[in-house]
Amino acid sequence: AQKITQTQPGMFVQEKEAVTLDCTYDTSDPSYGLFWYKQPSSGEMIFLIYQGSYDQQNATEGRYSLNFQKARKSANLVISASQLGDSAMYFCAMEDSNYQLIWGAGTKLIIKP
Amino acid sequence: DAGITQSPRHKVTETGTPVTLRCHQTENHRYMYWYRQDPGHGLRLIHYSYGVKDTDKGEVSDGYSVSRSKTEDFLLTLESATSSQTSVYFCAISNRLAGQSTDTQYFGPGTRLTVL
Repeated sequence: AQKITQTQPGMFVQEKEAVTLDCTYDTSDPSYGLFWYKQPSSGEMIFLIYQGSYDQQNATEGRYSLNFQKARKSANLVISASQLGDSAMYFCAMEDSNYQLIWGAGTKLIIKP
Repeated sequence: DAGITQSPRHKVTETGTPVTLRCHQTENHRYMYWYRQDPGHGLRLIHYSYGVKDTDKGEVSDGYSVSRSKTEDFLLTLESATSSQTSVYFCAISNRLAGQSTDTQYFGPGTRLTVL
C-alpha cells in the first residue's frame, strides 16, 4: 500500500541556517508526484514544491528545493537560509496513479531567532 | 492564489444533526476534493469530484455524502453528525487535464467543525 513517512515530529533550527525535512514514500506505481505543503499556525495549506517521478532534475522554488532520491524513495525538502516566517507544520504528500493524495503526519518546524 | 472559499468557516453543532459544508471556486477547475485533518494526522481524503455530478469515495467516506451540481460548488454533507466527525475540513481543487498524470492541488482556508 502507498505510504508517506515523515520521521521528524518536530525540529528546532537557528534562523538563517539551512534545514532538511525528511520524507520517505512507498509505492509500486511507476508514475507519481511528490508534493510539499506548508501549514502555518493560521491554518491554511500552502503549496510549496512539486517533483514528478520521471523528472530528471530536483525541483527548486526560490529557497525551497526537493532532494529527490528515487532509488531510496526519499523526497526531502531543503529550506535554505531559514527565516522566522518559516515556522510552521510541513507536510509531504504523494499523488498516485489513482489521483489521490496520500499525506504524511507532518513535521513541526520552529525557527529560533 | 487560487479562488477557493469555504463556508461556514466555523460551526458548532450537536450530535445527530445534519451539517452541510460548502466549497466554492472561481477557477473553473475540474477536480474538487474534501479532506479532513485531525491532530497527529496529515489530511485524509473523504470524497472527490472529477466533474459535475461525477464523484467518488476517498479513504474515510463513511458518514459523509457529497454533491456537485455546478462546476464551482462542491458540497459535503454529514447526514447525522457524530463527535468523531469533529475536525477541520479542507476543500481543494486541481485542474488535471486529459492525459496528464498529476497536478497540484490548491486548498481552501478550511472549516473548523465541532460536534458536541
